[in-house]
Amino acid sequence: AQSVTQLDSQVPVFEEAPVELRCNYSSSVSVYLFWYVQYPNQGLQLLLKYLSGSTLVESINGFEAEFNKSQTSFHLRKPSVHISDTAEYFCAVSDVSGNQFYFGTGTSLTVIP
Amino acid sequence: GAVVSQHPSRVICKSGTSVKIECRSLDFQATTMFWYRQFPKQSLMLMATSNEGSKATYEQGVEKDKFLINHASLTLSTLTVTSAHPEDSSFYICSALSIAGAGEQYFGPGTRLTVT
Repeated sequence: AQSVTQLDSQVPVFEEAPVELRCNYSSSVSVYLFWYVQYPNQGLQLLLKYLSGSTLVESINGFEAEFNKSQTSFHLRKPSVHISDTAEYFCAVSDVSGNQFYFGTGTSLTVIP
Repeated sequence: GAVVSQHPSRVICKSGTSVKIECRSLDFQATTMFWYRQFPKQSLMLMATSNEGSKATYEQGVEKDKFLINHASLTLSTLTVTSAHPEDSSFYICSALSIAGAGEQYFGPGTRLTVT
C-alpha cells in the first residue's frame, strides 16, 4: 500500500514571496503523484501530476513540483505567490492502476497581503 | 476531456429521508468509480469502490446498508444516503477511472449534503 505525508498543515506566506509545500510518500511499487487545490466550498482541481518522464512538472499558474525518487518526495513550489493562491492543497499518490489512491491530510496556504 | 459531473451540487434534506447523488463520466467510460467523503477542514476519505455491474467494495467502518452504491453503467454511479441524519452532513466527492486511461482518477466537483 501507499501513503502520503504532508508535514505542514498550515503555511502562511507574504504575497510575492516564494513557497514550498512539502509532500513525502511511501510505496513499494511504482507510483503516480498528484497535487490538487481546493478553494473554499469547492471541489478538487488538479494542479499538476507526475506519471512518468521528466521529474519536474509544471502547472499553468506558476506552480511546479519535482519527483525525487531517492527522497520519496514531491514538493510543490511557486517562486512568487498571489493572494488568489490562498487555498487548501492536497498531495496524493496512487499505484499505476489508479485503484489505490491516497490523499495527504492537506496544507492550508494563506497568502498575506 | 475526462470530465466527471455530480448532481446535485448541493442538497438539503430532513433527517430520516434518503438522498441520491449521481456521478457521471461525461466523455469517457469508467471501469471503476470511487466515492469519497470530506469533513470540514479535513482530507478526503475513501468510502467505497464500485465496478460496473458488480457490488461495491466498502472501506472499513463505512456502513454499506446506509450508503448504497449502484454502478449500473460505464458512465454512471449513484450513492444513496439512506435514512440520513445530521452526522451524515458532509461533502461527497466521486471520481472515475477511465477504461483507456493511464490509471488516473478524474474527480467530480462534489456534492454538499446538509441534513437538518
